[in-house]
Amino acid sequence: GQQLNQSPQSMFIQEGEDVSMNCTSSSIFNTWLWYKQDPGEGPVLLIALYKAGELTSNGRLTAQFGITRKDSFLNISASIPSDVGIYFCAGHLGGTSGGSNYKLTFGKGTLLTVNP
Amino acid sequence: KAGVTQTPRYLIKTRGQQVTLSCSPISGHRSVSWYQQTPGQGLQFLFEYFSETQRNKGNFPGRFSGRQFSNSRSEMNVSTLELGDSALYLCATSTGSSGNTIYFGEGSWLTVV
Repeated sequence: GQQLNQSPQSMFIQEGEDVSMNCTSSSIFNTWLWYKQDPGEGPVLLIALYKAGELTSNGRLTAQFGITRKDSFLNISASIPSDVGIYFCAGHLGGTSGGSNYKLTFGKGTLLTVNP
Repeated sequence: KAGVTQTPRYLIKTRGQQVTLSCSPISGHRSVSWYQQTPGQGLQFLFEYFSETQRNKGNFPGRFSGRQFSNSRSEMNVSTLELGDSALYLCATSTGSSGNTIYFGEGSWLTVV
């Protein structure tokens, strides 16, 4: 089936540093979503991207929907200890093109550790 | 507004039993999807319901089934439980129309012994 390649698998950084992670796909998506998951909890939506080339920010987070519709990246600026967690990218084919396939395909996740 | 609510949060079942999990979507959300999360396989799509009809289905055996009610609440059922069914089961909801964003519940932790 469709696969999302998410990298890096894990990151260990110092508080205050910037972080970048990305996802690539073998096929296109119409919507890219980035989630953060804490242990024992469900994924929490961070940023949603609906259009190729779109660049969206949410506080210290910035994400972009790649122009080819096959990739996306997430940047976190000035990291803080509470940024610790697993970050997932996900894509689906539902969206502005009218598709009704809202099945999410997920990357394997990026484990972020922030050293205070 | 209230988020996605899943019940129960934790449960332990014996191999061979069956289990039913429940999901109440965000008000106005008509699409409900279910995912299985395990350390080995990550997040895997089970199925999606929209307006009481199964709209999309993942690659899971027939022991996994679901349904959606007229108020958009959904249940999923796993029959003849196997040890490998131990996982976090997540429900995700959306309005189900274009340009749409998907929100997750906190999940139901199932342990099969």
